[in-house]
Amino acid sequence: AQSVSQHNHHVILSEAASLELGCNYSYGGTVNLFWYVQYPGQHLQLLLKYFSGDPLVKGIKGFEAEFIKSKFSFNLRKPSVQWSDTAEYFCAVNPGNNAGNMLTFGGGTRLMVKP
Amino acid sequence: SQTIHQWPATLVQPVGSPLSLECTVEGTSNPNLYWYRQAAGRGLQLLFYSIGIGQISSEVPQNLSASRPQDRQFILSSKKLLLSDSGFYLCAWSAGTADGYTFGSGTRLTVV
Repeated sequence: AQSVSQHNHHVILSEAASLELGCNYSYGGTVNLFWYVQYPGQHLQLLLKYFSGDPLVKGIKGFEAEFIKSKFSFNLRKPSVQWSDTAEYFCAVNPGNNAGNMLTFGGGTRLMVKP
Repeated sequence: SQTIHQWPATLVQPVGSPLSLECTVEGTSNPNLYWYRQAAGRGLQLLFYSIGIGQISSEVPQNLSASRPQDRQFILSSKKLLLSDSGFYLCAWSAGTADGYTFGSGTRLTVV
């Protein structure tokens, strides 16, 4: 079965610092990739997704992620974080031939941005 | 537009008591429906998914069961709760393959 690894469990940054959260997956075939965000007290929300085409995808709130197939990675980046980016971030993978559209999630990364 | 409702928001239940969590989706038909459990530091674990009425697939053997009595209704149940069932339960739906999920607001279950 596929697995998703987020190696950074907790990240603390100051405002305006750059962010990169790592995500690696184990599935060898075609995949669809997602990043979700959960702000304190709120629902999980889709941040961005990759299906095909340009491996650099842009999402909401200035986030972007790069799919590197050779590294089985889909790292999330933001050039300059804000205090409002404090949240938990989840990477998720969906094998492209998955009839039930099941997502496998990583363990999450808690980001704290200090004002 | 599509919306997903999940209730209750919080629940405290004694060990050995039954459980019923409900999730309904509006504004779409024949959605894929999912139950996940979110444990602190452990991400989201898929418990059950359903691609149609009466069709339930279980990902993890455990003390829980799921049912889909109507197209847009997904129920998570237990006959006798265990302490280890405590957690944050999330319902989600998707339109089909290659779609992201829309999550409900979750239920915080504490078994005492």
